[in-house]
Amino acid sequence: AQRVTQPEKLLSVFKGAPVELKCNYSYSGSPELFWYVQYSRQRLQLLLRHISRESIKGFTADLNKGETSFHLKKPFAQEEDSAMYYCAPFSGGYNKLIFGAGTRLAVHP
Amino acid sequence: DGGITQSPKYLFRKEGQNVTLSCEQNLNHDAMYWYRQDPGQGLRLIYYSQIVNDFQKGDIAEGYSVSREKKESFPLTVTSAQKNPTAFYLCASSIDPGSGADTQYFGPGTRLTVL
Repeated sequence: AQRVTQPEKLLSVFKGAPVELKCNYSYSGSPELFWYVQYSRQRLQLLLRHISRESIKGFTADLNKGETSFHLKKPFAQEEDSAMYYCAPFSGGYNKLIFGAGTRLAVHP
Repeated sequence: DGGITQSPKYLFRKEGQNVTLSCEQNLNHDAMYWYRQDPGQGLRLIYYSQIVNDFQKGDIAEGYSVSREKKESFPLTVTSAQKNPTAFYLCASSIDPGSGADTQYFGPGTRLTVL
């Protein structure tokens, strides 16, 4: 079965600390991978996608095919990064996004 | 924001009643989706539609029904057959119906509570 695991429900850090939100997936083939974010009182929205190879709001995500991971990283967390983050691989076989359970990031001053 | 709207924001219903959640988009997107969000479980796909007059079941379609008579609208009916309907429901849309790998744009959600 295709599965996405975000092992941390809550990640709590201080402002300026590095952040790594973990995502592991079990898929066959090479899925397209996304991170979505939901800030307080805002809609769920795309943060970044692997194929774009871009950095959004200082976040990057590296695909490690050997470990089947797509961890989201930021070197220096800011308070405005506090939000719920969802890892979401796209399943080509089923033609749909599979969302992880989410990790809540809390950045303290 | 705009683009994709859901109504109402909060909805209460009694057990045994059907209820319909509205989802409208003016983004001219072909694909639309309904998700259910429960604490600790992420988003689960209920139904999706890639084109008008066509839709497919997602992972948890039992107890739900949809229609797609217009491109802009994708209403979701929660029927009395749904065993545990209290949840937060999210609607989304995307441009390319042929590729779910396209960015999905989400509505603000409807919180349904069964009394």
